[in-house]
Amino acid sequence: DAMVIQNPRYQVTQFGKPVTLSCSQTLNHNVMYWYQQKSSQAPKLLFHYYDKDFNNEADTPDNFQSRRPNTSFCFLDIRSPGLGDAAMYLCATRGQNEKLFFGSGTQLSVL
Amino acid sequence: DQQVKQNSPSLSVQEGRISILNCDYTNSMFDYFLWYKKYPAEGPTFLISISSIKDKNEDGRFTVFLNKSAKHLSLHIVPSQPGDSAVYFCAASGASKIIFGSGTRLSIRP
Repeated sequence: DAMVIQNPRYQVTQFGKPVTLSCSQTLNHNVMYWYQQKSSQAPKLLFHYYDKDFNNEADTPDNFQSRRPNTSFCFLDIRSPGLGDAAMYLCATRGQNEKLFFGSGTQLSVL
Repeated sequence: DQQVKQNSPSLSVQEGRISILNCDYTNSMFDYFLWYKKYPAEGPTFLISISSIKDKNEDGRFTVFLNKSAKHLSLHIVPSQPGDSAVYFCAASGASKIIFGSGTRLSIRP
């Protein structure tokens, strides 16, 4: 089945140690999103790509970077994770009529 | 500044009755509104959507109503079933961005 896959499901990193989260899709969608969700809060948009055009939200910290080497793959890099970066990170693609297809998310813990 | 608000963090409804989840937005430029359902440890899954040019969209037990003048939308689930227990997110789309509300946790009690 076509889908959005995020790896790993759970990631533990140390304070200040760089970490990369991965997302892949088989839907061949041009638009991809990264959201950060903390407990009981709205998913917060970090970045989105229209094909290779990168769009950074104004309030996304510089500590967060993203790469999209091709249509299928997208990465979220956190250069120096802080305790406040512990969250669920959701990757999504956008299909017709604004419908988003989400991966299962990566739960990031920072020790 | 929250552009999409879900003011009820939780809702409990008896099985078989109607569940009504509400959402308010502030930006008149949104052109699509969507509802997502989320179970623990899973990503949100699409439930139903509505274009800003419509005021109602129905899909089985789920109906979304849009009141543009009030900048308000609601999701009706009838009849409510135990499997409907989840967190429901309202989302609004415009200018390639999709903005989410903070969610409402729906519990269906027997």
